[in-house]
Amino acid sequence: DGGITQSPKYLFRKEGQNVTLSCEQNLNHDAMYWYRQDPGQGLRLIYYSQIVNDFQKGDIAEGYSVSREKKESFPLTVTSAQKNPTAFYLCASILTGQELDGYTFGSGTRLTVV
Amino acid sequence: GNSVTQMEGPVTLSEEAFLTINCTYTATGYPSLFWYVQYPGEGLQLLLKATKADDKGSNKGFEATYRKETTSFHLEKGSVQVSDSAVYFCALPNAGNNRKLIWGLGTSLAVNP
Repeated sequence: DGGITQSPKYLFRKEGQNVTLSCEQNLNHDAMYWYRQDPGQGLRLIYYSQIVNDFQKGDIAEGYSVSREKKESFPLTVTSAQKNPTAFYLCASILTGQELDGYTFGSGTRLTVV
Repeated sequence: GNSVTQMEGPVTLSEEAFLTINCTYTATGYPSLFWYVQYPGEGLQLLLKATKADDKGSNKGFEATYRKETTSFHLEKGSVQVSDSAVYFCALPNAGNNRKLIWGLGTSLAVNP
């Protein structure tokens, strides 16, 4: 079955460390997104990419970086510059022109700073 | 730009109670409107949608009607079940860029047996 796989499910980061969250999809979707979810704040867009080798900042890109070297993969790196990284991170994808079919989301990665 | 306001939770109901979660929006034109649901520990999934005024979206017993007069898209269900316990998000496309969604803050629903 096609879908989005996020890994790991739980991730612990020490102060000053960079960590990378994986997002892989086998849906042949061209657009991919990273969201951060905090209690009571809904979903906030970090980065999105509509085509390989191109991506745009979302509303809260500071302290994060991404790459899109393959259509299937959109990893998110949480850098040490992100001062409050503890959150639930969601990856999503969609086929351009099929927005009415809804975004497909992964099951998320819960990142905790220890 | 477009925006959405969703009623705050948490909402706690008994099984078989009637559910309404309010959602109002401001938008340029008449964009499509969406409700997404997030079950505990999971990502979001599309629950229902409406693409034009007066459309009614429905799925799994949930309904929402696109009302341009009141700029609303309230989610309703006549008889909730424990399995409906989840967080519900109202959303619409960003003005000028329908590949970005504007999200409500989410409404947590807990249904007790």
